[in-house]
Amino acid sequence: QVQLQESGPGLVKPSETLSLTCTVSGYSISSGYYWGWIRQPPGKGLEWIGSIYHSGSTYYNPSLKSRVTISVDTSKNQFSLKLSSVTAADTAVYYCAKYYYDSSGYYRIEYFQHWGQGTLVTVSS
Amino acid sequence: DIQMTQSPSSLSASVGDRVTITCRASQSISSYLNWYQQKPGKAPKLLIYAASSLQSGVPSRFSGSGSGTDFTLTISSLQPEDFATYYCQQIYSKRLTFGPGTTVDI
Repeated sequence: QVQLQESGPGLVKPSETLSLTCTVSGYSISSGYYWGWIRQPPGKGLEWIGSIYHSGSTYYNPSLKSRVTISVDTSKNQFSLKLSSVTAADTAVYYCAKYYYDSSGYYRIEYFQHWGQGTLVTVSS
Repeated sequence: DIQMTQSPSSLSASVGDRVTITCRASQSISSYLNWYQQKPGKAPKLLIYAASSLQSGVPSRFSGSGSGTDFTLTISSLQPEDFATYYCQQIYSKRLTFGPGTTVDI
């Protein structure tokens, strides 16, 4: 059974860097698939932040790209998020997720298959 | 960017009701659309992928339809555990985007 668990500080000061780690159990990241970060401001909707392949190739949301770095550590079966120069607008619940994809058929199939429980990060001085 | 809209933003319904939620894309996305359910304090859960394919383990009262720009999620007979917020997501573009959500409450 695949499980994901986010970890990191729950409080970050404005202008500093938010750092979170997602630890995966029940599946080896190096076996494949993409691994992503999604956030949800309190009372609002979902925003995709970016995704990383086990090889290290990344896709970022262009609106956050200048501030985001996602990396993977296959030896620890973890992937991480860094978001720099944070402001109060970055206050949100941050989720990590496994992104399933299958391109073998006529249509691509892709979706966030397994999610962590989420961790609230508050940006405040 | 592909913008996703949903209607209504919220609705009130009763157990046993048939509920339909609409999702619209700003451009054609073929059938590259997923639906998720989220309950308060919980992570989203996949219900439907590829517009109309039911995820394993999801009750058959959930169904999805549509292609191009217009999609619907239907709950044939609303159950107490279905009161939640529902999001559509497009995967046509590598810049993944979600709809703003539709909250179903009593």
